[in-house]
Amino acid sequence: AQKITQTQPGMFVQEKEAVTLDCTYDTSDQSYGLFWYKQPSSGEMIFLIYQGSYDEQNATEGRYSLNFQKARKSANLVISASQLGDSAMYFCAMREGLGSSNTGKLIFGQGTTLQVKP
Amino acid sequence: NAGVTQTPKFRVLKTGQSMTLLCAQDMNHEYMYWYRQDPGMGLRLIHYSVGEGTTAKGEVPDGYNVSRLKKQNFLLGLESAAPSQTSVYFCASSLQGTQYFGPGTRLTVL
Repeated sequence: AQKITQTQPGMFVQEKEAVTLDCTYDTSDQSYGLFWYKQPSSGEMIFLIYQGSYDEQNATEGRYSLNFQKARKSANLVISASQLGDSAMYFCAMREGLGSSNTGKLIFGQGTTLQVKP
Repeated sequence: NAGVTQTPKFRVLKTGQSMTLLCAQDMNHEYMYWYRQDPGMGLRLIHYSVGEGTTAKGEVPDGYNVSRLKKQNFLLGLESAAPSQTSVYFCASSLQGTQYFGPGTRLTVL
């Protein structure tokens, strides 16, 4: 069965430093997609970054990068140069299947709370 | 573009009451989803729809019903609310890839 595991309930990082949030996944599919979402204290879910299982390069979006290690089934989020506004809950999610037959359903991990210290 | 909107933002119900949550999207997305988020947990899929007139069960569908009569709207109904349904409810939509979320509805069932 597909599963997402985020083992860090809470993390602290000093402002301007880099931080890695861990995510491991379990699936028997060869085709899947991995997502990271940010949930600030205001509650909305903000899409950050996406990695497809066939993408050869790690995804990057500004200060966010996804360290994708397929053999280890890990998809860690790296935030560089942390800012106070990065303090939030971060969720890793997986979508099984790519292409016209998939339903786009996401499975979420339990989340990691990141606090950025000034 | 408003994106994905949800109404209401907050609601308090008594056990046994019914209500409908409305989700609307203006991005012409085919796929729509309803999730619930409980404290300390990730989002869990309640129901979803892959197009107008279609619905399907997700991970936690019991106690909920949905309808997708128009492409832009996805309704979530609670026929007889229970305290276990106290949660934050999120709607999302997508073409087939990235899901975009509404702001959420905080529901309390007393």
